[in-house]
Formats: sequence, structure tokens, C-alpha cells
Amino acid sequence: AQSVTQLDSHVSVSEGTPVLLRCNYSSSYSPSLFWYVQHPNKGLQLLLKYTSAATLVKGINGFEAEFKKSETSFHLTKPSAHMSDAAEYFCVVGDYKLSFGAGTTVTVRA
Amino acid sequence: SAVISQKPSRDICQRGTSLTIQCQVDSQVTMMFWYRQQPGQSLTLIATANQGSEATYESGFVIDKFPISRPNLTFSTLTVSNMSPEDSSIYLCSVYTGEWPYEQYFGPGTRLTVT
Repeated sequence: AQSVTQLDSHVSVSEGTPVLLRCNYSSSYSPSLFWYVQHPNKGLQLLLKYTSAATLVKGINGFEAEFKKSETSFHLTKPSAHMSDAAEYFCVVGDYKLSFGAGTTVTVRA
Repeated sequence: SAVISQKPSRDICQRGTSLTIQCQVDSQVTMMFWYRQQPGQSLTLIATANQGSEATYESGFVIDKFPISRPNLTFSTLTVSNMSPEDSSIYLCSVYTGEWPYEQYFGPGTRLTVT
């Protein structure tokens, strides 16, 4: 069985400062990992994915994530937060049947 | 890629009634899935919609409550039966093409409110 744990339910940052969203995974084999974003009243959008290629994965809108097998982590970062980054972020594991983390709500202060 | 549409986009229903949600994909896909997102919660997989055979349900979901049809490779329906307020959720369908870029695509969701 595969699962993910998002370590922060809510993250608040100031505009222009770095964002870090933490995710640990559990999998009996090499996992496919994803980060999705959901803006209020909007659909899910794929930010980035890890599928056993490069451990540092670059996504859209300046986001990136690093796969660390030794730490079973897949943390999402962005060097400079923008007001438009305020949304719900989900760490996800799976190939075609996906398991979603509980989500992290990001608020950005002006 | 795949473009997915869902109907209706939202609905308000009385308890005890049923609602059928439609999911249409712009290309033929083997794998289609239905997810539920309860208010303020994450997404939970309800079932895999199999073309030409019965859907495969996840633990905690049963066919009598969530019957699913998959008549062809571009269309599926999910029915929420005998609704109660606890069924108020966003229901999303998704597809996995099994081809590069090996991603899952989600529909916009159906926001259901049961009163």
C-alpha cells in the first residue's frame, strides 16, 4: 500500500519569501509522486511529478520538489511566494490509482 | 492529454433522492476513476470505472450507494443514491491514458449539496 503524509495543514508566508510544503511518503516500491494545486472553486492542476528520473523535479510557476529516498520525503518549494500561490496543495502518490495527502492550505500575506 | 467535462457542474438535491453525474472525455481512455472530496477534506478514490464490466470499488464504497456505468471508452456516469447531507461533496472523475506524459487528468468536478 502507498500513502503520503503532509506534515503541515496550514502554511502562511509573506509575499516574496520562500515557501516550503512538506510531504513524506510510504511505499513498498519506487513510487510515482505528484504535487497538485487547487485554487478556490477551481479544478485540480498538476504542479509537478516524480517518476524515478531526476530527483530534483521542476514544475510550473516556479515550484520544484526534491525526492529523497533516504528520508522518504518529497517536499515542495518555491523561492519567492506570490499572492496567486494562495491555494490548497496536495501531495499524491500512485501510478493510476492515486492516494492524496490531507492537503496544505497556503496563505500569502501582502 | 485529455480534456474532461462533467455534468452537472453543481446541484442542490433533497435527501432521499438520487443524482447521476456524467463524465465525458475527448479521447478514448482505458482507465477512468471517480473521486470524492468532502468539504474541507482531501480527495478519496471511490471506484475504478471499467469499460464493459462492473466497477471496482474501494474500501468503504459500495455499488448500491454509488452505481457506476461505463458504456464506452469516453463516457462514464456515477449515481449517488438515496442521498443524505453527508453526501454533500465535490465529485470528480479522472482518466489515466497510460501514455506519455503518464499523467492523470481531472474533470472540473460536480459540487453536490444535499438538503
